[in-house]
Amino acid sequence: RKEVEQDPGPFNVPEGATVAFNCTYSNSASQSFFWYRQDCRKEPKLLMSVYSSGNEDGRFTAQLNRASQYISLLIRDSKLSDSATYLCVVKRDSNYQLIWGAGTKLIIKP
Amino acid sequence: NAGVTQTPKFRVLKTGQSMTLLCAQDMNHEYMYWYRQDPGMGLRLIHYSVGEGTTAKGEVPDGYNVSRLKKQNFLLGLESAAPSQTSVYFCASSYIGVGTDTQYFGPGTRLTVL
Repeated sequence: RKEVEQDPGPFNVPEGATVAFNCTYSNSASQSFFWYRQDCRKEPKLLMSVYSSGNEDGRFTAQLNRASQYISLLIRDSKLSDSATYLCVVKRDSNYQLIWGAGTKLIIKP
Repeated sequence: NAGVTQTPKFRVLKTGQSMTLLCAQDMNHEYMYWYRQDPGMGLRLIHYSVGEGTTAKGEVPDGYNVSRLKKQNFLLGLESAAPSQTSVYFCASSYIGVGTDTQYFGPGTRLTVL
């Protein structure tokens, strides 16, 4: 079993819709959580960190559920420019390593 | 600022050939990392460095070597390339400190080993 698992998708969503996807992690000692975005054939870029209380950045909302060991990303009023692969990332604070999910591909259709 | 740069962008090698990938950052970051990304898999850490002159093994270090002689540069070497090393290689860097987990990535190197 992978330490960080994501539904690979693709999620095909009409423009303006709300879309949500989850990521599960297996190491209960994980302390820090992130969503990165990766455009086709480009490098990953940080989208947002995920805090215990949940956090929002414009149209994006991230939630953490420690009891069930998953994090989620909600995108409201989706735009064509939101089309990308979203990478779930977990950090074990005992070292410097980030553990990366394989990503969820999102396609926003006009 | 250029951020994180990688050279070359593309390379084709024959089995058994060697090469060095260069990563450079101009953000004065202490930490630097080399990852590989393969289809259907998350980024996997090859080696990393927490400062000039120091390196450590990541999740998949076999077949690779690294050096960090200068703070701004992190080199990844393949001594004898194998087809299993066909991948996209990303370099990243980050600050030290609490709440500074953001990693900044270079544009990647696409390597094909025939």
